[in-house]
Amino acid sequence: EVQLLESGGGLVQPGGSLGLSCAASGFTFRSFAMSWVRQTPGKGLEWVSGTDTSGATTYYADSVMDRFTISRDNSKNTLYLQINSLRAEDTAIYYCAKGLLFSSWYFDLWGRGTLVTVSS
Amino acid sequence: EIVLTQSPATLSLSPGERATLSCRASQSVNSYLGWYQQKPGQAPRLLIYDASKRATGIPARFSGSGSGTDFTLTISRLEPEDFAVYYCQHRGSNWPLTFGGGTKVEIK
Repeated sequence: EVQLLESGGGLVQPGGSLGLSCAASGFTFRSFAMSWVRQTPGKGLEWVSGTDTSGATTYYADSVMDRFTISRDNSKNTLYLQINSLRAEDTAIYYCAKGLLFSSWYFDLWGRGTLVTVSS
Repeated sequence: EIVLTQSPATLSLSPGERATLSCRASQSVNSYLGWYQQKPGQAPRLLIYDASKRATGIPARFSGSGSGTDFTLTISRLEPEDFAVYYCQHRGSNWPLTFGGGTKVEIK
């Protein structure tokens, strides 16, 4: 089955850190660009970060630059997001999303998301 | 950063009616504009990419048009399962990628 499965979310205090993972299955992971997109409960979507097929090129939203780090391990079919210096406004559902083969930055497969709550 | 403004915020229609959703970009994104559908408790689903290309498995009643700064998603005849929130997203060369604020299509 083609799917993405996120994990690693939870409750963390402001200033804390968290590591998210996204396990991919059912497709050739190394062939696709990947991204993280978040959604504040009841609100809209915000693209957070993306990486090319090799992980050599990464992109970030201004709001997370220098705090979040995206990476991938193609041997493990896994995408990661390291989140540091967490703020209340980082509270959201974090989705892992797969890019189209020929147009990397549209997302045709999404995980179910993992909830990150930043609160003291 | 390119700002995408969607209108209206809410569209109240009956099944069988035509839905027309708008997305306006703060600067040109050429044709690099996509549309997603999201239902409560679910992840978004890609409907349209590059302004007018339907994604795999998307019914023909969904169509997209536009270029530059003004885009439209049209649902020709609303089915019960089409009542949801719709987002536009640009994937142009201007980083970061951004999404619009969404249009909720609700049953009248």
